[in-house]
Amino acid sequence: DAGVIQSPRHEVTEMGQEVTLRCKPISGHDYLFWYRQTMMRGLELLIYFNNNVPIDDSGMPEDRFSAKMPNASFSTLKIQPSEPRDSAVYFCASRDRGAGNTIYFGEGSWLTVV
Amino acid sequence: GEDVEQSLFLSVREGDSSVINCTYTDSSSTYLYWYKQEPGAGLQLLTYIFSNMDMKQDQRLTVLLNKKDKHLSLRIADTQTGDSAIYFCAEGNAGNMLTFGGGTRLMVKP
Repeated sequence: DAGVIQSPRHEVTEMGQEVTLRCKPISGHDYLFWYRQTMMRGLELLIYFNNNVPIDDSGMPEDRFSAKMPNASFSTLKIQPSEPRDSAVYFCASRDRGAGNTIYFGEGSWLTVV
Repeated sequence: GEDVEQSLFLSVREGDSSVINCTYTDSSSTYLYWYKQEPGAGLQLLTYIFSNMDMKQDQRLTVLLNKKDKHLSLRIADTQTGDSAIYFCAEGNAGNMLTFGGGTRLMVKP
């Protein structure tokens, strides 16, 4: 399996622009997670889905952030409008219900908002 | 809420053993995990241990779990420069949402 695939790997955008991050989870995994990683706050869970349904979005920082999962093989995280403090690495991850309920991470989308 | 604590930094010499420690607070943890993050990359699962186990060994990696003290450790034998990375401890409960520690940066000196 190719693993969790995220795009874009790197994005630099201007403040106020819309940013869309994309994720393809591992086939057959039933949970999908969006995390954000910064030096100051470490790894934060933003939102997670179970069988394409959002379960907990309490980690989403504000209304500027939204996430969707229209089907089992695709999810998006959107920031509109973006702000410099949104600069971070955004990770998508999916969970294998089998061995150890293990969560597998993508390589991350490195976002810089200038 | 759940809390997972790790020391920030560890430095060892190549060939020595590294021991990275982690404490957690959630007594209902089902699985405990170690992830490795190399620069510019995502988190890579190294190993996990079920909460009813005391020890798990996988090649150079040994995980020890003291459930009474809620203490988890990762020992890397014969540490190599390629082991330099940030290591994250995480605990998962019945709902299996993981809580991550802040990560321990391991530096291996030649």
